Amino acid sequence: NAGVTQTPKFRILKIGQSMTLQCTQDMNHNYMYWYRQDPGMGLKLIYYSVGAGITDKGEVPNGYNVSRSTTEDFPLRLELAAPSQTSVYFCASSDLRGNTEAFFGQGTRLTVV
Amino acid sequence: DQQVKQNSPSLSVQEGRISILNCDYTNSMFDYFLWYKKYPAEGPTFLISISSIKDKNEDGRFTVFLNKSAKHLSLHIVPSQPGDSAVYFCAAIFSGSARQLTFGSGTQLTVLP
Repeated sequence: NAGVTQTPKFRILKIGQSMTLQCTQDMNHNYMYWYRQDPGMGLKLIYYSVGAGITDKGEVPNGYNVSRSTTEDFPLRLELAAPSQTSVYFCASSDLRGNTEAFFGQGTRLTVV
Repeated sequence: DQQVKQNSPSLSVQEGRISILNCDYTNSMFDYFLWYKKYPAEGPTFLISISSIKDKNEDGRFTVFLNKSAKHLSLHIVPSQPGDSAVYFCAAIFSGSARQLTFGSGTQLTVLP
């Protein structure tokens, strides 16, 4: 059971470049989330989705975009990368029913230089 | 303004002794609290949770206590083991939302053999 899978695991971007962080889950969860974690800090919510076709902003959405065309996939797009976007990014999912805990991917470590 | 606070960035405990990790919150709308454990280069993994209608939840060596009037919760690990060495994040949800987690900044627990 793969759970939540993120790709790539590591990436170095130059300022101004763009990229898409991929996230897929195989648990048929309705809810999906993107968080970022800066050194010594907790995770902050970037965007979330309650189902295919529905997305909304979290606490720190500036500089990012998302889409949710299927239940399984929730890619995060960075346009015009900036050094402030250097962080570790985590995708997570949770179920509408049952327990409320979210399941996390392994993370993508992104460095913008 | 941090809604979930973990004021101790680090804690060291001897193997076999009790570890107590603390967490405070400010938002009265939170009604579900979770603890996550994180090893380096991995995503957070769910450890234990508690609903606001309870004041204690126990799972093996792990017990979470909730004091609603003080807006305080704590995680007790007894007995502590070297494998428990990790960063522990406190997180909170309010059930009327899409279950987005609001995280504290984490406490690095080191269990000394």
